[in-house]
Amino acid sequence: AQSVTQPDIHITVSEGASLELRCNYSYGATPYLFWYVQSPGQGLQLLLKYFSGDTLVQGIKGFEAEFKRSQSSFNLRKPSVHWSDAAEYFCAVGNPSGGYQKVTFGIGTKLQVIP
Amino acid sequence: GAVVSQHPSRVICKSGTSVKIECRSLDFQATTMFWYRQFPKQSLMLMATSNEGSKATYEQGVEKDKFLINHASLTLSTLTVTSAHPEDSSFYICSAPTGGGNEQFFGPGTRLTVL
Repeated sequence: AQSVTQPDIHITVSEGASLELRCNYSYGATPYLFWYVQSPGQGLQLLLKYFSGDTLVQGIKGFEAEFKRSQSSFNLRKPSVHWSDAAEYFCAVGNPSGGYQKVTFGIGTKLQVIP
Repeated sequence: GAVVSQHPSRVICKSGTSVKIECRSLDFQATTMFWYRQFPKQSLMLMATSNEGSKATYEQGVEKDKFLINHASLTLSTLTVTSAHPEDSSFYICSAPTGGGNEQFFGPGTRLTVL
């Protein structure tokens, strides 16, 4: 069964500082990988996804993530955080074996941005 | 990207009543939709897979008689929480995959509060 681990439940960074949110997955092969962002009381917005190809993926809002097969990781990064980035971030893994695959979510990392 | 809507966005009901939540794909057809629930400060947990024209598939531990799912058309799935109790209070989110099945689009969620 697939699973996702986000080891950091809460992270605080200063505005303008760089950010890295960690994500490790467990899956028998190369999975589909996603990062979503959720603002309070809102649904999920897709930041970026990895299916295959270039392991460095660019997303919206200046985010990027790198797939590292050897480490089973898909960490999310941003070079300079803005106050509006404060939200909850979810890493997710999907099964690429075909069909309407279910997505398994990590527990989420809450990002706080201080001025 | 594709748009998924949910209605209502927020509902408060008395214990013992039933509540219906709608999930619509606005600009694409979805033969499959997924229903998640999210407790405070926790991740999304898949409840069931809604299938147009056939019965829903429920995840282990989810009571199918309590959470009735009807996939009435290619753009609409409904979740009815029957005989709601305070422990059913949660944030319910639906999602629908695109035709290729590789990516899901999420609705904005429905906040259910059972008094």
